[in-house]
Amino acid sequence: EVQLVEAGGGLVKPGGSLRLSCAASGVTISNVYMNWVRQTPGKGLEWVGRIKSRSDGETTDYAAPVKGRFTISRDDSKNTLYLQMDSLKTEDTAVYYCTTDRDWKYDHWGQGTLVTVSS
Amino acid sequence: SYELTQPPSVSVSPGQTASITCSGDKLGYKDVCWYQQKAGQSPVVIIYQKTKRPSGIPERFSGFNSGNTATLIIRGAQATDEADYYCQAWETHTVVFGVFFGGGTKLTVL
Repeated sequence: EVQLVEAGGGLVKPGGSLRLSCAASGVTISNVYMNWVRQTPGKGLEWVGRIKSRSDGETTDYAAPVKGRFTISRDDSKNTLYLQMDSLKTEDTAVYYCTTDRDWKYDHWGQGTLVTVSS
Repeated sequence: SYELTQPPSVSVSPGQTASITCSGDKLGYKDVCWYQQKAGQSPVVIIYQKTKRPSGIPERFSGFNSGNTATLIIRGAQATDEADYYCQAWETHTVVFGVFFGGGTKLTVL
């Protein structure tokens, strides 16, 4: 059974940084594409970015609102995905989910971790 | 950027058929997924590659995609189907890759 467990959320001031993690079990994340998706409280889903599998070059793509501020990486020895968030803005406040991405579907989601950006 | 438009809410009577639409430019040429999100839970994929159902998803959920519109159809709606539903599409034919979600549709079964 695939399990994804996010951690690292919390309260941070505008301009600050935070690193989220997503610990995976039941799947080797280097073999699949992994994504971060966020959801503003009470609102819809927004794609944040992805990292491709090792076999497809491990390259990353980001949504326009976070490009240049967020960085996705992976530690294969820990089977853990990361989201480094810098220069945070109030509009980055959201629940952040990690997901697996296979056959053009996000087939497993974590429970999410809440990031609040506020002074 | 690429916009996907969904109605904010849809209501259906138990046992009847609900249709939730998702509109976007040339959406019929793109792979589309549908996700169900129940209150307090993470989203679950219910339709992928426009019409396919993951294992464990009931047959009463189906997808249809043509022109500029994708449609999620729920036959024989049940109280347990009350949830928010989101469509998703990928933008892969431009210089910049992107993934986009619709704004979500709240389905009420009453």
